[in-house]
This record gives sequence, C-alpha cells and structure tokens, in this order.
Amino acid sequence: QKEVEQNSGPLSVPEGAIASLNCTYSDRGSQSFFWYRQYSGKSPELIMSIYSNGDKEDGRFTAQLNKASQYVSLLIRDSQPSDSATYLCAVMKRVDTGKLIFGQGTTLQVKP
Amino acid sequence: DVKVTQSSRYLVKRTGEKVFLECVQDMDHENMFWYRQDPGLGLRLIYFSYDVKMKEKGDIPEGYSVSREKKERFSLILESASTNQTSMYLCAVQGRKGDNEQFFGPGTRLTVL
Repeated sequence: QKEVEQNSGPLSVPEGAIASLNCTYSDRGSQSFFWYRQYSGKSPELIMSIYSNGDKEDGRFTAQLNKASQYVSLLIRDSQPSDSATYLCAVMKRVDTGKLIFGQGTTLQVKP
Repeated sequence: DVKVTQSSRYLVKRTGEKVFLECVQDMDHENMFWYRQDPGLGLRLIYFSYDVKMKEKGDIPEGYSVSREKKERFSLILESASTNQTSMYLCAVQGRKGDNEQFFGPGTRLTVL
C-alpha cells in the first residue's frame, strides 16, 4: 500500500463545475497536509495547507481533512481551464523532520 | 513566500561527468530538500538538510551527495552522472518555523547522454 494515494485521473470537468480531488494516507499519526498544483514542465506550487479536521477555504479552493478516515480532499469551485494541471497531495508524518510524502498526483482537465 | 532559485533550468551532461546543481533561498530558513521527479514515480526525496553542514539521506540517496556550507545554499552533486539520473530535479525550502510549508524552486531538467 502506498503511503499517500491519489487517483491519477484524468479527472475531466466542464468549466464552471466543482472539481473534487481526493487523497488517502496510511499513517494515522500524520500531522500536516498540503495540496500543490503543477503545470506541465513546471515545479509544484503550494495552494493549500491544512492541519486540523474540517474545512479550510481560500478563494475558490476548499481543503477538507478527516483524520479518522485518513482522507484529505481539495474542492475547486467554478473550475476554469487555467485550473487544468496535476494536483499533488503531500503529507507530513512528523513535523520535526519536515519531510513530505507525495502522492502520484491527479490530472485535472477543465473543458471550456 | 520564500524565493527559491536553482542554478540552471536545463542541463545536458555526459555519462561519467561530475554534475553540480545549486539551490539558493532568500530567507533564513533551516530546512532544505532535494527531490527528483520522474513520470510514474512521482516526487522522491534524495537528501535534505536541517542546517549548515548537516545532511540526512532521503529515500533515494544512491549516486548523489550534497553540500551545505552556507545556510542559504544547498548543492546536489552527482559524482559520476549516469543515464538513469536523467530527471527533473527540484529543490524545496521549508518556511518559517511552525508553518511547515515547503516552497519549490523552478527545477532543473537534467539530461545525461
């Protein structure tokens, strides 16, 4: 079992729809969770971090964390073609190391 | 946000060459990381450093070494480049204490012929 799992996709949504990206992790003691966006040929860009159960909203993005289910998700409202990218979920098991474990990423395609 | 720069965007080297990849940050952050990213394998941690002259092996350190002589600069060294080290190399810096966010540099696309 991979430590951080994501559906590779592609996930295809029409412009203006809500895109829902999901991630599960295996270490129940994991403490910090991050979503990165990566355009083709570019480096990952941090878009959200979440540390406690519940929802965290930032503009069109909402991160959701459920530690009991070991599940973290990213919702993108009013999806735009410019949101088309690969979204990487990353989990920090221990804050003192700073090490991140990355999922394989989900490719999102937003169709005009 | 932290600004992270990497010495080259694209690099072509020959098998057996010694290769230096440099990463520089503009803030006084302790933690720096080197990853490589390959299709189907995702991001994998090569080495990381908590402070000057300190280094820790990541998940795939074989064939690599690192150097951190100054806090702002973290170098990845390929002692004798091989074709299987052709990859995208990404440096990351961890933000201010208690934040834990990592910020990436633009990456270096290395091709070993």
